[in-house]
Amino acid sequence: QVQLVQSGAEVKRPGASVRVSCRASGYTFTDYYLHWVRQAPGQGLEWMGRINPSSGGTNAAQNFQGRVTMTRDTSISTAYMELTRLKSDDTAVYFCARGFGYNAYWGQGTLVTVSS
Amino acid sequence: DIQMTQSPSTLSASAGDRVTITCRASQNINNWLAWYQQKPGKAPKLLIYEASILESGVPSRFSGSGSGTEFALTISSLQPDDFATYYCQHYNDYPYTFGLGTKLEIK
Repeated sequence: QVQLVQSGAEVKRPGASVRVSCRASGYTFTDYYLHWVRQAPGQGLEWMGRINPSSGGTNAAQNFQGRVTMTRDTSISTAYMELTRLKSDDTAVYFCARGFGYNAYWGQGTLVTVSS
Repeated sequence: DIQMTQSPSTLSASAGDRVTITCRASQNINNWLAWYQQKPGKAPKLLIYEASILESGVPSRFSGSGSGTEFALTISSLQPDDFATYYCQHYNDYPYTFGLGTKLEIK
């Protein structure tokens, strides 16, 4: 069965960087895009960007361009999202999700807390 | 960027009711629209894609309609498990923006 398993919760200082991983199983990793979506506490869903695991090509939302880097390691079927220059309003649950447009499979989410 | 306007933001209803949530896109997105259900502390669950196609395993009381810029999610007879927050999302072009969500509450 398709599974996306994300790395554990992180606590970071403002100005630091965080890298969240998303390990895929149950399908061919390079066959589907992986998207990153975040959700601040009590707020809605925000699409951050996506990576094509086959080519490594990415698209990021304008809000995150210059701060977000999406990469993958096909040898271990894992995608990564790194967010730099963290601010307090980056505190959120970060999800990875599989799909070309709509997303039928989601990771469990990774809570990133940014606090001094 | 395409803006997705969902309404209402909150909806109070009772089990057995028929409810409709609407989503308007700021420009034509054809049928490239998905609906998700989210419960507290959980990842979103895909309900509908391409505006009207029911995801496998989703109960048939959920249905989607619309095209272009106007879309709707209808639940024909609310069940206790349906009280949750619902989001629309377009995937016409990047960025794939979400609506702000509709919280479906028990009346």
